[in-house]
Amino acid sequence: GAVVSQHPSWVICKSGTSVKIECRSLDFQATTMFWYRQFPKQSLMLMATSNEGSKATYEQGVEKDKFLINHASLTLSTLTVTSAHPEDSSFYICSAVNWDSRNQPQHFGDGTRLSIL
Amino acid sequence: AQTVTQSQPEMSVQEAETVTLSCTYDTSESNYYLFWYKQPPSRQMILVIRQEAYKQQNATENRFSVNFQKAAKSFSLKISDSQLGDTAMYFCAFMKNTNAGKSTFGDGTTLTVKP
Repeated sequence: GAVVSQHPSWVICKSGTSVKIECRSLDFQATTMFWYRQFPKQSLMLMATSNEGSKATYEQGVEKDKFLINHASLTLSTLTVTSAHPEDSSFYICSAVNWDSRNQPQHFGDGTRLSIL
Repeated sequence: AQTVTQSQPEMSVQEAETVTLSCTYDTSESNYYLFWYKQPPSRQMILVIRQEAYKQQNATENRFSVNFQKAAKSFSLKISDSQLGDTAMYFCAFMKNTNAGKSTFGDGTTLTVKP
C-alpha cells in the first residue's frame, strides 16, 4: 500500500516552455503533498508544501510564479515549471502523507528528471 | 528550527562486513520521529528504518539497526552483512510529532559496498 506515482519520469524540453509534473497517490488520500528539488549528490531541498484545496506554502527563496503548485484533489498534485530555463534542470521528487496517518513517514514518488535545453 | 547533521559524506565497506553511518540532530522537541532513507542510483527514496523518540528500544529491520541516544541527540545506522545492493546514498531525517510528514533531511552519506 501507500503508492505514489510521479509522471513523467524524464522530460527534455526547450528553454522557454512550461513543464507539468504530476504526483498521484494511488491507494490513499493525500491530504498533504511535498515537492522537493535535488541536485546530484546533494540532499532533498523542500520547495513547497501543498494541502488539498488550499494554496501551497512555499519555502523561502522559491519563486511562486516560477513553480506553480496545484493540489485540487486528494489524489493529485501538480508542479508546473513555467518558462523553464537551463538552470531549472534538476531532479524533482514529490511525496505524500495522509493526515490520519500523519505520524507515518512520507511516501515518495520515483522522481522526475527535468532537462532544459 | 531543527537541524540534522551527517558528518560522513562518503564511506565504503567490504561486502559482508558491518558499517555504521552517523547522524546527529538538534531540536528542543520532546516528541518526534527519526528516519533513515536509502536512495540508490535509481534515485528512488526508500524508507529503511523508523524510530519513535518516546521508545527507548532501538529499531531493527533485518540487517539494519539503529543506535538511538536521545540525550546525545544521536541516531546512527548500522548495516550488518553489507551487500552490493546496499550501495546508495543514505539520508537521516527528523520529523516533529505534529508536522504531518514534513521532515528535515541531513546532507546524506554516500555508501559504497565493495566486492
